[in-house]
Amino acid sequence: QVQLVQSGAEVREPGASVEVSCKASGYSFTSYAIHWVRQAPGQGLEWVGRIVVGYGDTEYSQKFQGRVTITRDTSASTAYMVMSSLTSEDTAIYYCARNPVGTVTLDHWGQGTLVTVFS
Amino acid sequence: QSALTQPASVSGSPGQSITISCTGTNSDVGSYDLVSWYQQHPGKVPKLMIYGGTERPSGVSNRFSGSKSGNTASLTISGLQAEDEADYYCCSYVSSSNSLVFGGGTRLTVL
Repeated sequence: QVQLVQSGAEVREPGASVEVSCKASGYSFTSYAIHWVRQAPGQGLEWVGRIVVGYGDTEYSQKFQGRVTITRDTSASTAYMVMSSLTSEDTAIYYCARNPVGTVTLDHWGQGTLVTVFS
Repeated sequence: QSALTQPASVSGSPGQSITISCTGTNSDVGSYDLVSWYQQHPGKVPKLMIYGGTERPSGVSNRFSGSKSGNTASLTISGLQAEDEADYYCCSYVSSSNSLVFGGGTRLTVL
């Protein structure tokens, strides 16, 4: 069965960077895209960016442009999201989700990773 | 890119039908049949309920249906059940930025 397993919770100080990983199993990793979506406490879902795994092509929300980098390691079936220059407003649960390319369908989601930023 | 517009809350009694709207622009919702809907129970991971504007994934009840008119997509839940109480989010492709945008979310309360 399709599974996306994310890395564990992280705590960072303002100005630091954080990397969250998303390990895929149960499907052909290179045939899909992986999107990253975040949810601040008590707030709604917010799109961060995506990578088309087979090509390595990335797109990012203009809000995070220059501050987020999404990569993948096809040999490890794992996608990564790095966010830098963190502030308290980046405190959120970060989800990865699988996406059939050419659709707006996030059909399987990781369990989420809580990133807490405080001094 | 501004979030798509959803009502903050809707409510209905068991057995009734409700509709949640999702309003965007002709650069997102109005451009393609590429709207998806997600259900999220408190503390849980979002779950895909509708894709391609009107299609249901395997395993999703046929009480859930999607539609679109112009720049507004809608999610209708018929025969409301207590388990439907959750937050619902729409999501659309944005052609001008090759990105995705979510609605602000709607809290459904089953009375």
